[in-house]
Amino acid sequence: AQKVTQAQTEISVVEKEDVTLDCVYETRDTTYYLFWYKQPPSGELVFLIRRNSFDEQNEISGRYSWNFQKSTSSFNFTITASQVVDSAVYFCALFGPRRGSQGNLIFGKGTKLSVKP
Amino acid sequence: GAGVSQSPSNKVTEKGKDVELRCDPISGHTALYWYRQSLGQGLEFLIYFQGNSAPDKSGLPSDRFSAERTGGSVSTLTIQRTQQEDSAVYLCASSTDWGGIAEAFFGQGTRLTVV
Repeated sequence: AQKVTQAQTEISVVEKEDVTLDCVYETRDTTYYLFWYKQPPSGELVFLIRRNSFDEQNEISGRYSWNFQKSTSSFNFTITASQVVDSAVYFCALFGPRRGSQGNLIFGKGTKLSVKP
Repeated sequence: GAGVSQSPSNKVTEKGKDVELRCDPISGHTALYWYRQSLGQGLEFLIYFQGNSAPDKSGLPSDRFSAERTGGSVSTLTIQRTQQEDSAVYLCASSTDWGGIAEAFFGQGTRLTVV
């Protein structure tokens, strides 16, 4: 079965702190894709990153960085020098070839990040 | 339009009534998804359309839920005989293909409240 686990339900930090959001996934597929989405208070999910299973290079985009480790089935997301505007719910998602009733793009339950000034 | 459009943005209905939720995907996107997000919960997959293929309905929670996609574009999610547990935000997303290659773009959702 495919599954995405975001163990951290809520995280609260003070502005300028670094914060890491954890994502652990389960899949038996060798080809799959991992995503992070941001859902600000307005409600619309915003795509942040896509990573395929064959590319384990870490990626940095401004204050955002992602650490993909197949050995531990993790795809963690770090925000450096957090800002109040980073406050949102962050979702990790997994896509793999459809099997049975698993659908396709499977989301974790999300981590609510609150950044206080 | 430039993005995925959903209507209505809010819907309050009485228990037992039927409701229709509409999704206009981004033009040219062949894949369309419906998800449900209950308060404080993650996204629950409902149904997926890809081009002219038969939809993947594996996520629909009961036979009260159905969806159509006309002409490969607009989609309607219908909930019959609504129940209070159907109250949630219903999100629609579209992408250029099967979803694993291209990211899904989401609409702002329809907040359904069943009273």
